[in-house]
Amino acid sequence: KQEVTQIPAALSVPEGENLVLNCSFTDSAIYNLQWFRQDPGKGLTSLLLIQSSQREQTSGRLNASLDKSSGRSTLYIAASQPGDSATYLCAVPPGSARQLTFGSGTQLTVLP
Amino acid sequence: DGGITQSPKYLFRKEGQNVTLSCEQNLNHDAMYWYRQDPGQGLRLIYYSQIVNDFQKGDIAEGYSVSREKKESFPLTVTSAQKNPTAFYLCASSPEDRVSRGYTFGSGTRLTVV
Repeated sequence: KQEVTQIPAALSVPEGENLVLNCSFTDSAIYNLQWFRQDPGKGLTSLLLIQSSQREQTSGRLNASLDKSSGRSTLYIAASQPGDSATYLCAVPPGSARQLTFGSGTQLTVLP
Repeated sequence: DGGITQSPKYLFRKEGQNVTLSCEQNLNHDAMYWYRQDPGQGLRLIYYSQIVNDFQKGDIAEGYSVSREKKESFPLTVTSAQKNPTAFYLCASSPEDRVSRGYTFGSGTRLTVV
């Protein structure tokens, strides 16, 4: 059964800092990995999707990488802002199943 | 713009009542899902449907029921058999080409037992 782990569980940084969020998964037979953002009391907003054939994806100040062989993905946030404060979740669909398996998330606080 | 609409945003249920949460999508996605989110437990899959008139149980289906009569709609009923229904419920959908297009989520419904 696929297991997804996110480290750290919580992170607090001063504004302007570059930071890295980590996601690891146990079953490397994935066809993509998706990073989401969740604000308190809100739904999930998709940030980036990396297909298994890709190594990384970029959107603005966000860059996500994927290393299937080691079962790891990272989300890099450049020049963090208070508006980046949220919980970040990574999710993978294991093998041919349609179901997403989520990590428990990293709660990010960017201090002004 | 296409998206997923969940309603209501907040829902209160009395003991012994059944309540239905609405989920509508205009993305033309084939598959739809219901997740439950509890503090400290992450997201858990309740039910999913890959095609109209077909659905499958997820990890925590007991006390819940669904229907998929239309491609656009996937309502979730929380029955009186669900002993601890207070949670945040999220609906999601995915296209046939989920490899390159991934999943889309709604804004959620917060259900509280009173």
